[in-house]
Amino acid sequence: DQQVKQNSPSLSVQEGRISILNCDYTNSMFDYFLWYKKYPAEGPTFLISISSIKDKNEDGRFTVFLNKSAKHLSLHIVPSQPGDSAVYFCAASASSGAGSYQLTFGKGTKLSVIP
Amino acid sequence: KAGVTQTPRYLIKTRGQQVTLSCSPISGHRSVSWYQQTPGQGLQFLFEYFSETQRNKGNFPGRFSGRQFSNSRSEMNVSTLELGDSALYLCASYLGSLGTGELFFGEGSRLTVL
Repeated sequence: DQQVKQNSPSLSVQEGRISILNCDYTNSMFDYFLWYKKYPAEGPTFLISISSIKDKNEDGRFTVFLNKSAKHLSLHIVPSQPGDSAVYFCAASASSGAGSYQLTFGKGTKLSVIP
Repeated sequence: KAGVTQTPRYLIKTRGQQVTLSCSPISGHRSVSWYQQTPGQGLQFLFEYFSETQRNKGNFPGRFSGRQFSNSRSEMNVSTLELGDSALYLCASYLGSLGTGELFFGEGSRLTVL
């Protein structure tokens, strides 16, 4: 049972245009969401996060939108740059009791920004 | 400051063998979690340690185990290796919990089981 789904395995975007990466989740107990970026042969790096009490968080060219009713979040990159080409993972956390949490990742979306 | 260090970076084992992977967290980080990355499944949570105690465990068989030492360094062990254990094993360290903490990942240990 995949609780965090990234239905697009890959996405190609022209340099300078907007990249929109989508993520759907099924567990209504998730209360914090994060995006990570991963280059080949490197570990994932944190990009941006959002709490379930917000619907938008912005950091420079990156904006994450959360639609709780639809259990959907998206990452917008504007403008897209060739250096943004990487695999993007959506992740969601929920309490598993006694102050501990579990983080669930999607399978990732490979973004290719074409110069 | 130094990042998360994982050793070895690459290793090849045969079915039935066992393997131990090591993770040195960022100085000051007391929380460590481990993930398995495969092409078909993305990143799957293995376990989490805080102050030498396992705080959480993912849905993996008992062949997968781990521990954390007093200096926060962590190891994970996989016994009786199977072909399906071939994967990139990632370790992350962080302050606080998986709830809202930003994770700092190492470069991973790529395990190939023949």
